[in-house]
Amino acid sequence: DIVMTQSPDSLAVSLGERATINCKSSQSVLDTSYNKNYLAWYQQKPGQPPKLLISWASTRESGVPDRFSGSGSGTDFTLTISSLQAEDVAVYYCQHYNSPPPITFGQGTRLEIK
Amino acid sequence: EVQMLESGGGLVQPGGSLRLSCAASGFTFSSSVMSWVRQAPGKGLEWVSVISSSSANTYYADSVKGRFTISRDNSQNTLFLQMNSLRAEDTALYHCAKIYNNHYWYFDLWGRGTLVTVSS
Repeated sequence: DIVMTQSPDSLAVSLGERATINCKSSQSVLDTSYNKNYLAWYQQKPGQPPKLLISWASTRESGVPDRFSGSGSGTDFTLTISSLQAEDVAVYYCQHYNSPPPITFGQGTRLEIK
Repeated sequence: EVQMLESGGGLVQPGGSLRLSCAASGFTFSSSVMSWVRQAPGKGLEWVSVISSSSANTYYADSVKGRFTISRDNSQNTLFLQMNSLRAEDTALYHCAKIYNNHYWYFDLWGRGTLVTVSS
């Protein structure tokens, strides 16, 4: 099974500053035939269900602010929030969808305001 | 409006059973791959089970295999999770979630969840 490991576990960033969350997979999630990475990012705000932010490692879902961006390939990925807003306080999860099942998530990264 | 509404959670003793439901609306449920994902209190996300649109294929996490059964009623736009032989470690908020499609298993729609508590 592919293991997803996020770092850090928690992060405090000042408003307007950049936030960076990392996700590492134990195996490559790159489909070399299509040059696509099978990696998604979710945001879960307190008391709410998760929300899909990014699929294919870097494709933002409709309505997601452009301050959110995803990057990386193979086994190493990054979610970046370019200018942190108060409404971005949440737990963020990565998830691979390369050859499931099983589907596995990272353990989550808690993002707070400094 | 696109939404999914879970129900059926509650307090159950270890070894007991519970059946969860998820009523879907606002999208073509009958052609959607559906899933259950749970979240223990204060913990992360754990995938539980997936069912294909026609119910022909079902998949389970090792932690629930042989104890949980996923099913669906496309005529009622409803997803189910039958949970038997419940354990304390099954205590969690259970979300139903729509999978993008049969080939790419990421979750593009989530319900708010129903809480299952296993305790004596």
